[in-house]
Amino acid sequence: SQQGEEDPQALSIQEGENATMNCSYKTSINNLQWYRQNSGRGLVHLILIRSNEREKHSGRLRVTLDTSKKSSSLLITASRAADTASYFCATDRVEKLTFGTGTRLTIIP
Amino acid sequence: DAGITQSPRHKVTETGTPVTLRCHQTENHRYMYWYRQDPGHGLRLIHYSYGVKDTDKGEVSDGYSVSRSKTEDFLLTLESATSSQTSVYFCAIKGGDTEAFFGQGTRLTVV
Repeated sequence: SQQGEEDPQALSIQEGENATMNCSYKTSINNLQWYRQNSGRGLVHLILIRSNEREKHSGRLRVTLDTSKKSSSLLITASRAADTASYFCATDRVEKLTFGTGTRLTIIP
Repeated sequence: DAGITQSPRHKVTETGTPVTLRCHQTENHRYMYWYRQDPGHGLRLIHYSYGVKDTDKGEVSDGYSVSRSKTEDFLLTLESATSSQTSVYFCAIKGGDTEAFFGQGTRLTVV
């Protein structure tokens, strides 16, 4: 089974609203990463949070990590139409990098 | 963009034939990965490599083999292609405890 599971599987919001996606995982990790994929393209790295960090920001992105609950969340603030994509969390154990099933985010203009 | 290329980008093959996909990097990164992506399953890890001649199985390795004889190349072989292996295959590279970079993907159709 896959290491990470994202929730929800799909999310539709109005432009300008905030979008929150959650990720749960099963084993210990070195870090957790979030990626974005536009339709049919390769994944692009968004943000990395290490296991000893609790929160990280990058532009309109905010990521939290709770290692005791084995969960992470990605918040995108002030969403734009261009944020429409699939978002994946990935658990990194240095050698092994495994992905969840993803959240499909649609921003309605 | 990170120097990673996959070849071929598209391939149609017949059931029972062997197929090899190539991932080539120019970044000298230690770690290389092969994933398949299917609707509803996200990305699933097939095999990965942590050095030349050092490889290990992922979660969906049955029917696949890999080889890494040089740092820059990671080959994925479908020994006898089946229709269930129709998918989009992605290669990724990673230097260490850092972000990964992805290739453009290979769309494989087994008929």
